[in-house]
Amino acid sequence: DQQVKQNSPSLSVQEGRISILNCDYTNSMFDYFLWYKKYPAEGPTFLISISSIKDKNEDGRFTVFLNKSAKHLSLHIVPSQPGDSAVYFCLWNRDDKIIFGKGTRLHILP
Amino acid sequence: NAGVTQTPKFRILKIGQSMTLQCTQDMNHNYMYWYRQDPGMGLKLIYYSVGAGITDKGEVPNGYNVSRSTTEDFPLRLELAAPSQTSVYFCATRDRIYGYTFGSGTRLTVV
Repeated sequence: DQQVKQNSPSLSVQEGRISILNCDYTNSMFDYFLWYKKYPAEGPTFLISISSIKDKNEDGRFTVFLNKSAKHLSLHIVPSQPGDSAVYFCLWNRDDKIIFGKGTRLHILP
Repeated sequence: NAGVTQTPKFRILKIGQSMTLQCTQDMNHNYMYWYRQDPGMGLKLIYYSVGAGITDKGEVPNGYNVSRSTTEDFPLRLELAAPSQTSVYFCATRDRIYGYTFGSGTRLTVV
């Protein structure tokens, strides 16, 4: 059974500091992991992804790290900005399906 | 370019009523998905389709039906609404690995 676990339901970070969101997975067979961001009353939007053959992917303020031996994924946001306040979902992708984690609500404090 | 359009945005149903949630895309994507999001939970896959005429069950298909007669449309049908189906429903499409596009959601309340 493929599972993606985001064990922190919420996280508060001071503006300008680093936000670190974590995700654990149970199945070693995947093509990609993706991070999506969701604002209230809107659909999720794509943020960043990482393929199974990489251990890091960077896009501007966002960096995703993949530790395959620990089956652990993390998203770093540096520096955190007020507009980053949202729910972040870790997604596991293989073949036709995408499986979501429960999400982590990030609050950026002024 | 409208992307993925879901209608209605809000709906209140009585127990036992039926309704269809509409999802239309104009990106010519083969893959389409229906998810539900319950409060404090992640999105759970209800049904998905890899192309016109092909549908398959996801994690939580009970109580729902889908059809895919065209590439553009992927309606989700609730036949006998139950309070457990109160949720926000999201339709999504996929082209390539990065090409997931979500609709803005349908908030359904069953009373």
